[in-house]
Amino acid sequence: DTAVSQTPKYLVTQMGNDKSIKCEQNLGHDTMYWYKQDSKKFLKIMFSYNNKELIINETVPNRFSPKSPDKAHLNLHINSLELGDSAVYFCASSQGPTGTEAFFGQGTRLTVV
Amino acid sequence: GEDVEQSLFLSVREGDSSVINCTYTDSSSTYLYWYKQEPGAGLQLLTYIFSNMDMKQDQRLTVLLNKKDKHLSLRIADTQTGDSAIYFCAERGSYIPTFGRGTSLIVHP
Repeated sequence: DTAVSQTPKYLVTQMGNDKSIKCEQNLGHDTMYWYKQDSKKFLKIMFSYNNKELIINETVPNRFSPKSPDKAHLNLHINSLELGDSAVYFCASSQGPTGTEAFFGQGTRLTVV
Repeated sequence: GEDVEQSLFLSVREGDSSVINCTYTDSSSTYLYWYKQEPGAGLQLLTYIFSNMDMKQDQRLTVLLNKKDKHLSLRIADTQTGDSAIYFCAERGSYIPTFGRGTSLIVHP
């Protein structure tokens, strides 16, 4: 069983479109995250939810809207996609916001053309 | 500037030891981590060290922490071709974990 799963794995879309990436974890963790990894492998946190509540919201354009319907899911919706949004997006989860170990999904490679 | 810095590349011969270095700026860091990312995959936690420890050993991996200099290193003994990957140093002081840019380890025969 995959601990943290994201769908889709690859996403190619045109500028201006709206898209969503889904994430689910079956580890029973309280806290989930979205990270963005750019072409130079720089990994930066975007959002974190603990028990469905937003606890970290880094300086991310408001075109990005996370949604956590329950503790096991954290989806990322992106409006009006731009070329600069092209990156690999990773979902992760941990036991609590200060949990020692974060488990990462396989990543979603988003390409905006 | 970045809070966690690493060199971008390291090339070693199979069987040698690899040492990947990292410096960080947050003196309140509680945990420091090493993650491994293989091509096309997510990050996998290799090991972590609590800030009141100096050293942690786990099979072929040795982590050294110099809290005074805010320097963390990962030593991989008897490096194998399967160790080729990107290694990320990360620190966590509060809620926000901060990652370095990753060191690409290339192991050649």
